[in-house]
Amino acid sequence: NAGVTQTPKFQVLKTGQSMTLQCAQDMNHNSMYWYRQDPGMGLRLIYYSASEGTTDKGEVPNGYNVSRLNKREFSLRLESAAPSQTSVYFCASSAPQKQGLNEQFFGPGTRLTVL
Amino acid sequence: AQSVTQLGSHVSVSEGALVLLRCNYSSSVPPYLFWYVQYPNQGLQLLLKYTSAATLVKGINGFEAEFKKSETSFHLTKPSAHMSDAAEYFCAVSGGSNYKLTFGKGTLLTVNP
Repeated sequence: NAGVTQTPKFQVLKTGQSMTLQCAQDMNHNSMYWYRQDPGMGLRLIYYSASEGTTDKGEVPNGYNVSRLNKREFSLRLESAAPSQTSVYFCASSAPQKQGLNEQFFGPGTRLTVL
Repeated sequence: AQSVTQLGSHVSVSEGALVLLRCNYSSSVPPYLFWYVQYPNQGLQLLLKYTSAATLVKGINGFEAEFKKSETSFHLTKPSAHMSDAAEYFCAVSGGSNYKLTFGKGTLLTVNP
């Protein structure tokens, strides 16, 4: 099992460019998440998908869109990148074992720089 | 609503010394609590989790944490630090009907030789 995979690992964009970050999991998990990590801020939830066919906003959704393509894949799109979106992006997945018990499994991250 | 406070953004210990990383939580429902570790340039890896089965939880690499409801705490400890423990540690809480984990801001652990 590869677990959670993310592509690309690194990306440099110019302000105004668009790009899509890809995430896939092979653990048959229902729920998937996108976080951003900034120094001193911990992890902040951008969007999540509780199950295939549904997506919801997290704490910091502005400037992003997501697509839950199927059960395995959950992509994050930046339509018009801004320097404030320079960050490390993590995808995660989970299969809640019982209500509220939400152990998440993380991918290796994408380091994005917007110039 | 849930929240997590990690006391100390940076903790420095000597090799062989006790490691104590503090986490306090706030939750209006019975919480599930987690500690994750992040090594440089890597993703987050689960160290241990509290699922209400036992208040003292043992994890990987010799770490353990004790759930104290009266103190709303879930501090992480290791009796003897090793150089390989140098990393950032995150406490997180989930619970209730939502699908989210709420993370603390993280504590960077430095181990000095």
